[in-house]
Amino acid sequence: KNEVEQSPQNLTAQEGEFITINCSYSVGISALHWLQQHPGGGIVSLFMLSSGKKKHGRLIATINIQEKHSSLHITASHPRDSAVYICAVSQGGSEKLVFGKGMKLTVNP
Amino acid sequence: DTGVSQDPRHKITKRGQNVTFRCDPISEHNRLYWYRQTLGQGPEFLTYFQNEAQLEKSRLLSDRFSAERPKGSFSTLEIQRTEQGDSAMYLCASSERTSGSLGHQFFGPGTRLTVL
Repeated sequence: KNEVEQSPQNLTAQEGEFITINCSYSVGISALHWLQQHPGGGIVSLFMLSSGKKKHGRLIATINIQEKHSSLHITASHPRDSAVYICAVSQGGSEKLVFGKGMKLTVNP
Repeated sequence: DTGVSQDPRHKITKRGQNVTFRCDPISEHNRLYWYRQTLGQGPEFLTYFQNEAQLEKSRLLSDRFSAERPKGSFSTLEIQRTEQGDSAMYLCASSERTSGSLGHQFFGPGTRLTVL
């Protein structure tokens, strides 16, 4: 079993839909990260959180430390949101990232 | 551009050859990470530097892999005697760790290695 699990693995949505991506982890962490990866490889950090909830524009990230679970919500989805969304946890003194496999999101117009 | 840069962006090599990649982190960042990503998978941790010291290495990093960060600024990752299984995207990230706070990791564009 991977230390970081994401669901679903793929998701196709229509423009305007509310989208939820889930992440569960099984190890101790110092923080949980949500990242976005576009075709071609570039990775952008969306959120880093260790408790509660964070919001940036149409994106909301929540974490439940007791349940070892996090969700990323996208409101009013748009085709430009199409990307791979990766959940990762930082561990240990190095804060190295342990990644989930990612979820490929396609938003159709 | 003050982001993380990597060079080259693409490298095609023949099995058995040596390759070297370079990463230039954001200038004030003291931490530098190397990750490897194969198709359809999330990245995997390879190694980590704080300033010039290599403080952690993954068991994925075989004897053929070596990384340096000689002056605590740019870093190089060398793969000797490349194998087809080394084909992957090699990602570099940097962060600034200050006392009492966690640092976002900023990623470079990656170097895509293809071993023929």
